[in-house]
Amino acid sequence: DAGVIQSPRHEVTEMGQEVTLRCKPISGHNSLFWYRQTMMRGLELLIYFNNNVPIDDSGMPEDRFSAKMPNASFSTLKIQPSEPRDSAVYFCASSLAGYNEQFFGPGTRLTVL
Amino acid sequence: GENVEQHPSTLSVQEGDSAVIKCTYSDSASNYFPWYKQELGKRPQLIIDIRSNVGEKKDQRIAVTLNKTAKHFSLHITETQPEDSAVYFCAAGLNDYKLSFGAGTTVTVRA
Repeated sequence: DAGVIQSPRHEVTEMGQEVTLRCKPISGHNSLFWYRQTMMRGLELLIYFNNNVPIDDSGMPEDRFSAKMPNASFSTLKIQPSEPRDSAVYFCASSLAGYNEQFFGPGTRLTVL
Repeated sequence: GENVEQHPSTLSVQEGDSAVIKCTYSDSASNYFPWYKQELGKRPQLIIDIRSNVGEKKDQRIAVTLNKTAKHFSLHITETQPEDSAVYFCAAGLNDYKLSFGAGTTVTVRA
């Protein structure tokens, strides 16, 4: 198994642009998580899906952020419009519900100028 | 919600010595306590975890202890090696999913 796959690995965009981050979880995993990592705030859970359904989005910072999981093998995190303070590393992680261990993807380093 | 505090923020040890990182949590309902290691520019990876029905768990040079009464847990690394240099995160969570992470400890092992 290739593990959790994220794309792109690096994204540089200008303020106001739309950004879409993509994630493919490990096959067979039914829980998916989006995290944001910054020096100031550390690792923050943004949203959690179980069986493709958003269960907890209390960590989504504001309406500019949205996430979808149209099927078991694909999820997106969208920021529209992007702002410089959104600059961070965004990780996607997946797990098999009931087994706790979350496997992280390589992350997307987002820079908003 | 859960609040996890982690100390120290940085730790420098001589190769071969032990390293200890401590975390406290606020929600007494939390029952799952993983530790992740993150090397520079890499993803966090689970190194050990403990559940609330266990007080101590060991895996080679790594051990974790849990004190549910005091709501704190610790990571112990013995016989440190240069490859142990990384950022270590503790986390606390309830059941399957909601992990709250500590701020991280940057461990440097001096040769």
